[in-house]
Amino acid sequence: DAKTTQPTSMDCAEGRAANLPCNHSTISGNEYVYWYRQIHSQGPQYIIHGLKNNETNEMASLIITEDRKSSTLILPHATLRDTAVYYCIVRVLNSNSGYALNFGKGTSLLVTP
Amino acid sequence: GAGVSQTPSNKVTEKGKYVELRCDPISGHTALYWYRQSLGQGPEFLIYFQGTGAADDSGLPNDRFFAVRPEGSVSTLKIQRTERGDSAVYLCASRLTGNTEAFFGQGTRLTVV
Repeated sequence: DAKTTQPTSMDCAEGRAANLPCNHSTISGNEYVYWYRQIHSQGPQYIIHGLKNNETNEMASLIITEDRKSSTLILPHATLRDTAVYYCIVRVLNSNSGYALNFGKGTSLLVTP
Repeated sequence: GAGVSQTPSNKVTEKGKYVELRCDPISGHTALYWYRQSLGQGPEFLIYFQGTGAADDSGLPNDRFFAVRPEGSVSTLKIQRTERGDSAVYLCASRLTGNTEAFFGQGTRLTVV
């Protein structure tokens, strides 16, 4: 699986958009970009995933560059409850290891009042 | 319940003892995963079950770790001769075959003293 690089930490003011970058310059053509987050003392929670087109759901938007070497997760109106560690993961959708995730260290997002 | 349930939520054991950690996946989910998360790190993959069989156990650190899923639902992670380095949060996740979203439990915090 391609390795990802994320900033260690970021701050965002409540109500503003949080833009979390992820670099995955060695991504292969059949690898998807997934985002999960982990709120303190909870298990990880799925947010969104995409292959090459931008994606949006009720939680966030995922913007993938045309060369697919980087992506940005956007939380349009961050709230205090969005404070968490955000993990960017690249993975082949169907593999022999059944979609096991390589989390890395993620970005610790702090949303401030 | 609606989510993945893990018991116990906390376990303290003495070095050298045997422990069992239980995971109740979401009903109907055929894929089940165990991960281990050390302090300040992202979750690390241990083992993946598809139904009753362990399809990928490449993440198990050594032969002291073993997991079973005899009826294709509940899974037990077993650790023999525990060591202080085994202290971590053990996370379980399940997924419906064909669905890309994995649902995680709250984890079991294991402390070996």
